[in-house]
Amino acid sequence: EVQLVDSGGGLVQPGRSLRLSCAASGFTFDDYAMHWVRQAPGKGLEWVSGISWNSGSIGYADSVKGRFIISRDNAKNSLYLQMNSLRAEDTALYYCAKDHNPYRGIAVAGFDYWGQGTLVTVSS
Amino acid sequence: QSALTQPASVSGSPGQSITISCTGTSSDVGTYNLVSWYQQHPGKAPKLMVYEGSKRPSGVSNRFSGSKSGNTASLTISGLQAEDEADYYCCSYAGTSTVFGGGTKLTVL
Repeated sequence: EVQLVDSGGGLVQPGRSLRLSCAASGFTFDDYAMHWVRQAPGKGLEWVSGISWNSGSIGYADSVKGRFIISRDNAKNSLYLQMNSLRAEDTALYYCAKDHNPYRGIAVAGFDYWGQGTLVTVSS
Repeated sequence: QSALTQPASVSGSPGQSITISCTGTSSDVGTYNLVSWYQQHPGKAPKLMVYEGSKRPSGVSNRFSGSKSGNTASLTISGLQAEDEADYYCCSYAGTSTVFGGGTKLTVL
């Protein structure tokens, strides 16, 4: 059974940093691109960042470019999101999500599995 | 990276068919056959309903179908059921990024 478990969220002051993690199991992690998608309270979905199966291709939304860094450790079946210079508008539930098709860059076919989400609240 | 345009709400009666549109540009929907659709019930993670424009993942009912014409993608749900009431989001690859629509609330009357 495919499982994605998100963790690392919490309450953080503006300007500070936070690192999110996503632990994957039940599939061959290093065959698939992985992504982070967020959802602000009561709002829609927003793609944040994606990383290809071999980390050769990485992309970011304009809203986080230069502040967030995505990475993965295929040996640990884990995905990460380092979030720096956090702003109030980064407050959201952050989901990791798996691409449906293997061996792709960040051109996602569809997100077929999602984590349960981890809540990040940026407030003083 | 502008969001795709979806109607805020649609409604239909049980047994009817509805279609949700998703309008993008030649930089996303119009160029890439990488449109996907998601169903989200309150408090739950999104669920993939259609990928690569018109393909259904294993386990998704054939009442859900996707299509595309030009810069507009569509999700059609036939034989509406009460459990289809949810928020629906479209999503498209856009060259160096991925963009979602603003979401459509489907009400089953």
